[in-house]
Amino acid sequence: NAGVTQTPKFRILKIGQSMTLQCTQDMNHNYMYWYRQDPGMGLKLIYYSVGAGITDKGEVPNGYNVSRSTTEDFPLRLELAAPSQTSVYFCASSYQGLFGETQYFGPGTRLLVL
Amino acid sequence: EDQVTQSPEALRLQEGESSSLNCSYTVSGLRGLFWYRQDPGKGPEFLFTLYSAGEEKEKERLKATLTKKESFLHITAPKPEDSATYLCAVQAKDSSYKLIFGSGTRLLVRP
Repeated sequence: NAGVTQTPKFRILKIGQSMTLQCTQDMNHNYMYWYRQDPGMGLKLIYYSVGAGITDKGEVPNGYNVSRSTTEDFPLRLELAAPSQTSVYFCASSYQGLFGETQYFGPGTRLLVL
Repeated sequence: EDQVTQSPEALRLQEGESSSLNCSYTVSGLRGLFWYRQDPGKGPEFLFTLYSAGEEKEKERLKATLTKKESFLHITAPKPEDSATYLCAVQAKDSSYKLIFGSGTRLLVRP
């Protein structure tokens, strides 16, 4: 299993440009998440999904959109890039159970908005 | 409000010098507490999950413990390859499995 994969690894955007960060998992996990991590800070939840067709906002959703058409894929869309969106973005997935289930993370996408 | 605080922010140890990292949390009903290791430029790597006060888990030189208010990650006789940022996160019972992360402890182990 490849686990959670993310593309691209690094991207530079100009202010106002749009882009989609791709995330794919091959573990048949029903839950998927997008986080952002700023330097010296913990991870903040942007959006999450509990299954195909179902998404919900996390702590910091403004400026982002998501969709979940399949179990495997959970892309994150930035419509009008702003310097405040410069960050490292991590996708994660987990399988829902009775107890807290482990989230497995991808390698991240580093985004610079200039 | 659910909250996680980690201390210290940074820790420098000599190889073989044991120490502990602290994770204090406030949550409305704990479903689970998670420890992750993060190397520079990489995603967090899962280490442990703890579910209830008194629980302990070990992996090589690492041992995680849990009380009702905090968790400790004990590092025994660390090696330079243990250098990384260690992240703590909690999951509340009413959270739809969302994680609340602390800001991490950056550990540097010198030979």
